[in-house]
Amino acid sequence: GIQVEQSPPDLILQEGANSTLRCNFSDSVNNLQWFHQNPWGQLINLFYIPSGTKQNGRLSATTVATERYSLLYISSSQTTDSGVYFCAVVRYDMRFGAGTRLTVKP
Amino acid sequence: EAGVVQSPRYKIIEKKQPVAFWCNPISGHNTLYWYLQNLGQGPELLIRYENEEAVDDSQLPKDRFSAERLKGVDSTLKIQPAELGDSAVYLCASSMSRNNEQFFGPGTRLTVL
Repeated sequence: GIQVEQSPPDLILQEGANSTLRCNFSDSVNNLQWFHQNPWGQLINLFYIPSGTKQNGRLSATTVATERYSLLYISSSQTTDSGVYFCAVVRYDMRFGAGTRLTVKP
Repeated sequence: EAGVVQSPRYKIIEKKQPVAFWCNPISGHNTLYWYLQNLGQGPELLIRYENEEAVDDSQLPKDRFSAERLKGVDSTLKIQPAELGDSAVYLCASSMSRNNEQFFGPGTRLTVL
């Protein structure tokens, strides 16, 4: 099946810093989503982005489907950005990466 | 618009006991999914429904797990009997169709003692 790799696995930032999270996938996909899992376990939809670039406030994402990767940018990070960020792709069914655990320190 | 609803939020049971989880998807969403999330890992698909039909249940351990989606709306996932290794978070998600954006419920955290 399709492989999804996220990097880095862990990231510690000072409040106000910027960061880039990467998602590589091994085959063509029909759908790609980025989620933030908060400390209570809720998966929050960030982007539905099978291709192209989208922005939502301090967050933006870019997917280059032909090169099989996606990037999530977080600017001016805040402590509330802490949590695990998952990339998930759909070829036949949704496959998640292992996630990037982000800690933002005040 | 209401999101995906799951109940209960938490469940603690003794091993060998049965347990059931309930999910109500977003109104109008034909596709419903059950996922299992172990600690420190991403969710993994157990079963996908298109309306009332289970179209992908290859990852569902059928000796002890069962699911149904009568009338193509809400769904129930059952484990009987539960084992210690079943302790995990069980997530329900829905989408308008298979390749559309998926939305997740808050999950049910199961602890088997």
